[in-house]
Amino acid sequence: EGQLVESGGGLVQPGGSLRLSCAASGFAFSRHWMHWVRQAPGKGLVWVSRIINDETGTIYADSVKGRFTISRDNAKNTLYLQMNSLRAEDTALYYCARGGIVANAFDIWGQGTMVTVSS
Amino acid sequence: QSALTQPASVSGSPGQSITIPCFGTSSDVGSYKLVSWYQQHPGKAPKLMIYEDTKRPSGVSNRFSGSKSGNTASLTISGLQAEDEADYYCSSYASRRVWEFGGGTKLTVL
Repeated sequence: EGQLVESGGGLVQPGGSLRLSCAASGFAFSRHWMHWVRQAPGKGLVWVSRIINDETGTIYADSVKGRFTISRDNAKNTLYLQMNSLRAEDTALYYCARGGIVANAFDIWGQGTMVTVSS
Repeated sequence: QSALTQPASVSGSPGQSITIPCFGTSSDVGSYKLVSWYQQHPGKAPKLMIYEDTKRPSGVSNRFSGSKSGNTASLTISGLQAEDEADYYCSSYASRRVWEFGGGTKLTVL
């Protein structure tokens, strides 16, 4: 079935940086597009970014474009999100999600890692 | 402000059916067969319930069904059960090559 485990969240000051990781297991990681989705406390889901399976081909939500960088290491079965110039409004639980092949949707989700941007 | 519009809340009694609409535009819901629905219980990760407008993943109860007409997608839950009480989100691929979510609908089973 597959599993995703996020890490790297924490408390950071406005303007700071953080790098999130998402370790994948139990499936052929390199075959799948991967996404980051975030959820601010008490709020809804917001799509952040996507990377296609060959480590190129990235796209971002307007709210993070130019500040966040998605990447992946297929040899390590790991997805990353480099977050720079962080703002208070970036405070959220960050989920990594697998883009399905049979099911063209976000078919597997991690448990999320919390990012808090505050002074 | 979410790109897709859902009612903030719906409710129903056990055994009844409810429908959650997801209002989009011709640039997202109306253009692609790529609407999906997610169930999220408090403190848990979202779970895929419906994909490609109407398809149900293996293991999801057949009480859950999806439909679409024009720019509006819908999730119907029949035979409501207490365990169905959760937040539900619709999502769609959009013409700007991004993915969008609705604001979420809180389902209360009375």
